[in-house]
Amino acid sequence: DTGVSQDPRHKITKRGQNVTFRCDPISEHNRLYWYRQTLGQGPEFLTYFQNEAQLEKSRLLSDRFSAERPKGSFSTLEIQRTEQGDSAMYLCASSKGQGDYEQYFGPGTRLTVT
Amino acid sequence: KNQVEQSPQSLIILEGKNCTLQCNYTVSPFSNLRWYKQDTGRGPVSLTIMTFSENTKSNGRYTATLDADTKQSSLHITASQLSDSASYICVVTFTGGGNKLTFGTGTQLKVEL
Repeated sequence: DTGVSQDPRHKITKRGQNVTFRCDPISEHNRLYWYRQTLGQGPEFLTYFQNEAQLEKSRLLSDRFSAERPKGSFSTLEIQRTEQGDSAMYLCASSKGQGDYEQYFGPGTRLTVT
Repeated sequence: KNQVEQSPQSLIILEGKNCTLQCNYTVSPFSNLRWYKQDTGRGPVSLTIMTFSENTKSNGRYTATLDADTKQSSLHITASQLSDSASYICVVTFTGGGNKLTFGTGTQLKVEL
């Protein structure tokens, strides 16, 4: 257990539905990252926050995706109008800062869109 | 394009044997290189982290090496155990923006009796 938690661990939804995932980072960590990982691939960067500010979004993050970190603590990732291609593991990680600071990953949320 | 390539894609070894996993990268500029272990259905867990000025780092039975000139890294696992069965992912931190991590596709290691 790294101290980063994610909820839910698994989500099955029908195409077109909206889903929201939550990430609770390690409490003193000011950076929070979201990644997406498909089967047999390494994680791909989606977006990151420095406290409550969303500093960068990957072009992988289409308009259907939105992430928030309203109080600089937990974060949510919402996917609207889900598509089958959204099926993946969504990983959250947190760190004390940038550079050589360790990123601690949560267990992930496995999304299956049917 | 920043890329991280790993070999082999998969590997099966007998318990107690040693193995070496390879990583080549084109990420530039980079600040550090990490090796993560990822069990099936779990998030990655850090094994080692090396800055560009370091050329070796050990963590128990895991030893990582880095050659920044040739942009190659290796992870050596000594006296493998069944619990070492996992995906091992090489990750390079790109300093071009936000210190984002660029992940390789991983080497799937299976340790058998």
